Amino acid sequence: AQSVTQLGSHVSVSEGALVLLRCNYSSSVPPYLFWYVQYPNQGLQLLLKYTSAATLVKGINGFEAEFKKSETSFHLTKPSAHMSDAAEYFCAVSPPGGGADGLTFGKGTHLIIQP
Amino acid sequence: GAGVSQTPSNKVTEKGKYVELRCDPISGHTALYWYRQSLGQGPEFLIYFQGTGAADDSGLPNDRFFAVRPEGSVSTLKIQRTERGDSAVYLCASSPGLAVDTQYFGPGTRLTVL
Repeated sequence: AQSVTQLGSHVSVSEGALVLLRCNYSSSVPPYLFWYVQYPNQGLQLLLKYTSAATLVKGINGFEAEFKKSETSFHLTKPSAHMSDAAEYFCAVSPPGGGADGLTFGKGTHLIIQP
Repeated sequence: GAGVSQTPSNKVTEKGKYVELRCDPISGHTALYWYRQSLGQGPEFLIYFQGTGAADDSGLPNDRFFAVRPEGSVSTLKIQRTERGDSAVYLCASSPGLAVDTQYFGPGTRLTVL
């Protein structure tokens, strides 16, 4: 069975500071990995995805993530936080083999931006 | 173009009642997914359709939950004999096809069972 662990249910950073949101996965085969963002009262929006091409993936709004197989990690980073980045962030893993079945999500990390 | 839409946006019902939640996927998307998101948790997979058929319903918690997609487009999630523990946001997503594609999510239906 697959699982996703997001360390830190809440992360607080100052505006302009580095954002680092942690995600570790467990999967029997190399998975596909996703980061989604959820703003209050809105649906989930895809930030970026890893599908076995380049291990460093760039997404929207200046976010990027690096797939590290040896560490089974897919941490999300942004060099400089903006107030508009305050939201809930979810890491998700695809089924083994990359099929089109449902994703397995982590519990989420609430990102707080301090002015 | 239009995204995934879900109706109603909010539904309040009483314990034991029957509810239906509707999802309109992005036009042309063959894959459709239902997830449930409880307070403070990530979305939990319920069921996945490829066309009209349920390709994977392993996430449905029990036989009170049922979903249909009769014409391969709109889907309805049906919950019988609702319980207070069914209270959650029910999310629908769609994607273009068979491979691992981005899933596009709707805004969700917030279900409250009193």
